[in-house]
Amino acid sequence: GAVVSQHPSRVICKSGTSVKIECRSLDFQATTMFWYRQFPKQSLMLMATSNEGSKATYEQGVEKDKFLINHASLTLSTLTVTSAHPEDSSFYICSASQTNQPQHFGDGTRLSIL
Amino acid sequence: AQSVTQLDSQVPVFEEAPVELRCNYSSSVSVYLFWYVQYPNQGLQLLLKYLSGSTLVKGINGFEAEFNKSQTSFHLRKPSVHISDTAEYFCAVSSNRGDYKLSFGAGTTVTVRA
Repeated sequence: GAVVSQHPSRVICKSGTSVKIECRSLDFQATTMFWYRQFPKQSLMLMATSNEGSKATYEQGVEKDKFLINHASLTLSTLTVTSAHPEDSSFYICSASQTNQPQHFGDGTRLSIL
Repeated sequence: AQSVTQLDSQVPVFEEAPVELRCNYSSSVSVYLFWYVQYPNQGLQLLLKYLSGSTLVKGINGFEAEFNKSQTSFHLRKPSVHISDTAEYFCAVSSNRGDYKLSFGAGTTVTVRA
């Protein structure tokens, strides 16, 4: 149980393109979803927390207009990297949790901007 | 706020030998503690968690950890490792207030050699 699916697993695109990453909880309803960014050989950095039906809460230093988060349903959250540039290249990981339950993680998305 | 220190960035170990990964945390409130494993280009998989009760926690794949409140530690152990245990291991902490917002350590790379 508690499976989180993240799609796509890998994306390569040109600079200036906007990229959407989906995070789905397959067998449970996720009241909260989290988006992380991970640089090579480093830990996970929380970017934002989203609750279904409300605006995401962004961590300090994360550009809201750059990283658009939508949590339209209890099983789906999306992260859109707008006008992506090479410095946005990274490994993005989502997680989902039910109320008062631990987070379950997706398999991540490797984003490469050329 | 909470923070986590993983004392070892890299731990090389021979197959069938025991391994211990050290984790210390800092928090002004009571905490929940977690260990996650990350295989290359994948998300995080929960190994074990401490929420309350017995301070010795058993997890998947033969791992266990012990919560020591006086030493603010949550060290992870496995008595006999396999090649397949080669991975990145993250210790994480959240407050026990139910939001499960995680703070991660920097990670420990375990390399198991035959």
